[in-house]
Parts: sequence; C-alpha cells; structure tokens
Amino acid sequence: ETVLTQSPATLSLSPGERATLSCRASQSVSTYLAWYQQKPGQAPRLLIYDASNRATGIPARFSGSGSGTDFTLSISSLEPEDFAVYFCQQRGNWPPAFGQGTKVEIK
Amino acid sequence: EVQLVESGGGLVQPGGSLRLSCAASGFTFSSSAMSWVRQAPGKGLEWVSTLSAAGNAYYADSVKDRFTISRDNSENTFYLQLSGLRAEDTAVYYCAKAQGSSARYHFEYWGQGTLVTVSS
Repeated sequence: ETVLTQSPATLSLSPGERATLSCRASQSVSTYLAWYQQKPGQAPRLLIYDASNRATGIPARFSGSGSGTDFTLSISSLEPEDFAVYFCQQRGNWPPAFGQGTKVEIK
Repeated sequence: EVQLVESGGGLVQPGGSLRLSCAASGFTFSSSAMSWVRQAPGKGLEWVSTLSAAGNAYYADSVKDRFTISRDNSENTFYLQLSGLRAEDTAVYYCAKAQGSSARYHFEYWGQGTLVTVSS
C-alpha cells in the first residue's frame, strides 16, 4: 500500500501570507494526487486533482505541483476562509489512500 | 447542482448491523463510480469502499467481508450495509462521487456525512 506523509502537521500563518504544504508518497503515484480542504464540521472539498488541476470553482490562489513521490499545495495569499485542514490523496496505486492532514491555523 | 445526502447512521451495539443510504441528484448517477469514505472522531480520512459504474465492488481490508456496497440506479441511491460492527468502525461516513465511471478516480463531490457510533 502507498503511504502518504504530509508535512508540516500544523502551519501557523497570517492572512495574506503564502502557504506551502507538502505530501510525500512511499512509492510513485505518477501525477495521480489530489488535495482536499476540510473545515470543522464540514465534508472535504476537492481543490486540486491529478497534481495540478484546479477543481470547479476553486480560486486561482490555490495551485498544486509535483509528480512521482513529492507534491506541493501552495496558497499564494491566505484568505480568512482558507484556515482549515488539508488532505492529500493518491489514486495512482490501489487502494486509494489519504495523508494524515496539515492544519493551517491563524498565527 | 450535485447533491449527495446520506442517512441511516446511529448508535449500534458491537456485532450489530446498519444500512447507510446516499441519495444522489444533479448528475448522471448510473455513469459515476461512487465511494464511501469514513473519518473517525478527530482523525483523518479513510477510504472504505467503491462501486464502479459497471458494478465492480472494492473494499478496504479493514471492512472486507463485513461491509457490502450496492446501488439502485433507478432510485439514484447508493448504499453501504455494515455488519459485524466494531468499536473501531465508529466514524462519520461520507458518500462521494468519483470524477469518472471507474474506481480509480479522485472524489469530486461529497455528502455531509452520517455518524455511526458502535458502543454498548
């Protein structure tokens, strides 16, 4: 099974700052990696699929990059509504798997 | 607008059974793979099961032989039958629509979740 490791566990930033989140896979997943945002009490929301494609309605400040085993989610300038938990998920190998999450909190 | 509405969660004793439902609308249900993903309290996300549009079912090892996934395309409804429940099955269960028809897609839309609590 492919294990996804996200870092850091918690990111403390101020609104307007840039956020950079990392997701590392235990084996190559090609570009078959997605990012989800989850706010307290809500379902996850797809942000980025296949490493770098923004999902419908996702603002341009969210971008994804990477391939193989190393992936990055960037938020260019944090808005108040971006403080949440972010999960990566791979579909390149069976079974599908999620990372443990990175919490982006207000500094 | 895509909508997924889960129901059927609740409190059940260890060893008991429960059936979760997910009512879908706003897309061609019969052409989409559908999945269940769960989240234990305060924990991360765990894939549970997927049913492709062609009817192929896949399960996580942790639930294999205890859970059964199914769909009714005439009712646009998706199900997860849970049996042999254990305390570690306690979680919010989300239904999710895949981006495509096979099992190997990301989860495009999610329902609001239904809580299953396994406790005596």
